[in-house]
Amino acid sequence: GAVVSQHPSWVICKSGTSVKIECRSLDFQATTMFWYRQFPKQSLMLMATSNEGSKATYEQGVEKDKFLINHASLTLSTLTVTSAHPEDSSFYICSARGGTYNEQFFGPGTRLTVL
Amino acid sequence: AQTVTQSQPEMSVQEAETVTLSCTYDTSESNYYLFWYKQPPSRQMILVIRQEAYKQQNATENRFSVNFQKAAKSFSLKISDSQLGDTAMYFCASMGAGSYQLTFGKGTKLSVIP
Repeated sequence: GAVVSQHPSWVICKSGTSVKIECRSLDFQATTMFWYRQFPKQSLMLMATSNEGSKATYEQGVEKDKFLINHASLTLSTLTVTSAHPEDSSFYICSARGGTYNEQFFGPGTRLTVL
Repeated sequence: AQTVTQSQPEMSVQEAETVTLSCTYDTSESNYYLFWYKQPPSRQMILVIRQEAYKQQNATENRFSVNFQKAAKSFSLKISDSQLGDTAMYFCASMGAGSYQLTFGKGTKLSVIP
């Protein structure tokens, strides 16, 4: 149990275009989902916390107009990178809160490359 | 506020040997959880072990065990009988019981040598 999927696993896009990444909890309902960014050989950096039916809470320094988060249902959260630029290239990971300990279960990540 | 410090950027261990990864933390929460996550080359984050701060007994999961020293705010991970599949980045993390947000350390890259 407690499986989280992400789609796509890898995406390449042109500079200036928008990209949507989906995060789904497959076998449990998640009222809270989290989005992280990870640069090569670095730790995970929390971008935002997404609660079902409400606006996401962004961490300091994260542009909310650039990284749009929607958590429309208890099993789906989406991250849209708007007007992507090469510096947005990174590995994006989502997680969903659940289980006995309200811990986070992680998706497999999405590698974004902006040309 | 929470901070997590992993002072060993890289470590290596011979296959079948034992290795200990260090982690110290600081938190203002009275109740919290501590975790060790493994991130292999596939980059999928995998939970290795969980410790509830109010439990004095050290958590154990098969070959993985922790040494939780609450007063010293230390939470080390011991891997026994190391296997090639243990090669990965290991992240120590803390979570306040009420916030549900994870705070990660910078990670330790572990290489298991045949």
